[in-house]
Amino acid sequence: AQKITQTQPGMFVQEKEAVTLDCTYDTSDQSYGLFWYKQPSSGEMIFLIYQGSYDEQNATEGRYSLNFQKARKSANLVISASQLGDSAMYFCAMREADSNYQLIWGAGTKLIIKP
Amino acid sequence: NAGVTQTPKFRVLKTGQSMTLLCAQDMNHEYMYWYRQDPGMGLRLIHYSVGEGTTAKGEVPDGYNVSRLKKQNFLLGLESAAPSQTSVYFCASSYSRLPTGTEAFFGQGTRLTVV
Repeated sequence: AQKITQTQPGMFVQEKEAVTLDCTYDTSDQSYGLFWYKQPSSGEMIFLIYQGSYDEQNATEGRYSLNFQKARKSANLVISASQLGDSAMYFCAMREADSNYQLIWGAGTKLIIKP
Repeated sequence: NAGVTQTPKFRVLKTGQSMTLLCAQDMNHEYMYWYRQDPGMGLRLIHYSVGEGTTAKGEVPDGYNVSRLKKQNFLLGLESAAPSQTSVYFCASSYSRLPTGTEAFFGQGTRLTVV
């Protein structure tokens, strides 16, 4: 079974609009962490934001926020006021406490920002 | 300000040839990882290391070997390359496990083609 599911293979969004990228996860661990990474066309992996399973507040980093709904096992990334430079692949990943430090990755969402 | 450095960045191999990918990090991280990225899929863990002199298998270890003789270096070897190993390879490193949630830092990737 997929542990990380990103249901949107691709998205088009108008510049300056907000965008939500979906991520659902599956774990039986109580302690885990959720990560979002951005991969632009140049190929590097850029860390965006982290949410711990015990964090009571949703994580925020500048224009990025993570909408963490623990009961639904979802960790959606919200990008406010999208910019052309936000066009990239976005990956959701999870690390479980008992996983020997492994990150489990979703298949990614390709986001294209339209001018 | 190097972070994680991978060499080489590109390589073309003939089936049956061998090669070694080098990953070097200057952040004194304990944990290092090798991933492969294939189209339409998230990153998959090949091997990882939780400290100097230790290595362990990840999700897709077959056909690869690794060594961590020095803390800062993590080598990935292909003994007899196959076309199925055509992929983009990423090395990553991180400080620690959960619950601190420290993100993994990635190298620029190595694009390997096996013909």
